[in-house]
Amino acid sequence: NAGVTQTPKFRVLKTGQSMTLLCAQDMNHEYMYWYRQDPGMGLRLIHYSVGEGTTAKGEVPDGYNVSRLKKQNFLLGLESAAPSQTSVYFCASSYSQRGRDTEAFFGQGTRLTVV
Amino acid sequence: AQSVTQPDIHITVSEGASLELRCNYSYGATPYLFWYVQSPGQGLQLLLKYFSGDTLVQGIKGFEAEFKRSQSSFNLRKPSVHWSDAAEYFCAVRSGYSTLTFGKGTMLLVSP
Repeated sequence: NAGVTQTPKFRVLKTGQSMTLLCAQDMNHEYMYWYRQDPGMGLRLIHYSVGEGTTAKGEVPDGYNVSRLKKQNFLLGLESAAPSQTSVYFCASSYSQRGRDTEAFFGQGTRLTVV
Repeated sequence: AQSVTQPDIHITVSEGASLELRCNYSYGATPYLFWYVQSPGQGLQLLLKYFSGDTLVQGIKGFEAEFKRSQSSFNLRKPSVHWSDAAEYFCAVRSGYSTLTFGKGTMLLVSP
C-alpha cells in the first residue's frame, strides 16, 4: 500500500517553462488536495477536488491549474513558471465522510525551484 | 474565515525538559484540530487529532494535546523532550471538504 505518491520529487524549471506535478493515491479517497509550503508561511491550499472530474480553488490558486480525470490521480500544472512558484508542493487525500473521523494523508512532497 | 495562530516561531528546549507548543484557532463551528510534525526535508507526519469527546488527546511519540474551547486553544505537550523531537510542528484546523488551514509552524530546537 503506497498511500499518496508524488512525481517528481525534485525539479528545476526556467522562468516561463511549464510542467505538471502528478499525485496518485491508492486508498480510493474521494477528496484530493494540493498545498504549497513556503518558509514562515506554513502550508497553503492551492486547489482541491471532491471527486473525479471536479476541482475547486483554494487560498492561493493563481498561476496553477489542476485536473482530476481519474479518481486516483490529481494533477497540478504550471503553464508559465515564475520564481514566486519556487516552493515545496504537497499532495494529500482523504475520505469524503464529512463530520466523521477522517484525516488527510500526505505525500512526501515535490521541491520545485524556478530560476 | 478560519485561521490558526502559532505564536512561537522558534522554541529551544533542553533535552529531557518538558515542552508546550501553543496553537490558537479561529473557527465558527466545532473544530477538528490536528498537529503535524515535519523533519527537515521530509513530509508531514500526523501526531494527533481532535474530533470530539475527551479534550485531552494522546498521540504518537509521547505527545498529547489539550483542546480548550473557552481559550480557542489546542496546545501540544510532551513531558520529556528527546533530541530526535527537533523538527517543525504545525497545527491545523479542518474546514469544508476536509481542507486544512495551517498555522505558520513552530521550529523546535533541542539543546544537549
